Amino acid sequence: DAGVIQSPRHEVTEMGQEVTLRCKPISGHDYLFWYRQTMMRGLELLIYFNNNVPIDDSGMPEDRFSAKMPNASFSTLKIQPSEPRDSAVYFCASSSFSGRASGELFFGEGSRLTVL
Amino acid sequence: QKEVEQNSGPLSVPEGAIASLNCTYSDRVSQSFFWYRQYSGKSPELIMSIYSNGDKEDGRFTAQLNKASQYVSLLIRDSQPSDSATYLCALNTGGFKTIFGAGTRLFVKA
Repeated sequence: DAGVIQSPRHEVTEMGQEVTLRCKPISGHDYLFWYRQTMMRGLELLIYFNNNVPIDDSGMPEDRFSAKMPNASFSTLKIQPSEPRDSAVYFCASSSFSGRASGELFFGEGSRLTVL
Repeated sequence: QKEVEQNSGPLSVPEGAIASLNCTYSDRVSQSFFWYRQYSGKSPELIMSIYSNGDKEDGRFTAQLNKASQYVSLLIRDSQPSDSATYLCALNTGGFKTIFGAGTRLFVKA
């Protein structure tokens, strides 16, 4: 079975540019999470979706960040304009909250973003 | 107060010893608890989940949960150098929101 797929794996961009990160969750999972990981702040939850609907976006740092999930198999996290402090690894994870594996998150390989 | 507290370590143990990792949390409504392992440069992967008070064993790993004390622990028996990684404690708060501790770095010396 394919796991969570993220793209791009690495992104280097200049301050002020738009960045779009993409995620394909595991088929059948109805929850999708976006996390950001830095050495200073650890793994922070930015936003999560249930059945394509955003449930909690309280972790989104500011209006420069936006996330969408147009269908069950695709989500994007966009940063516009990007700033050097946005440099981090962004993880997408999916989950199902039913059955034996309830609540267990399956992570993608992450997108390492560097903003110069 | 952070919602999930872990000692950042590093915790260093000799090969074959028991490694004990601890986690405390502040949200009493939390019902589901998890331990994830993250190797350097990789994504977190689930190693244990625990939902009720007591111990849960899976191979060399034992998770322990005490909801009254708001305490979760992970024991790794017969530690191996391949266990060297960062271990993240996580929990579901109300509404299926999953939050993580900062992680404990574990080094197993050969």
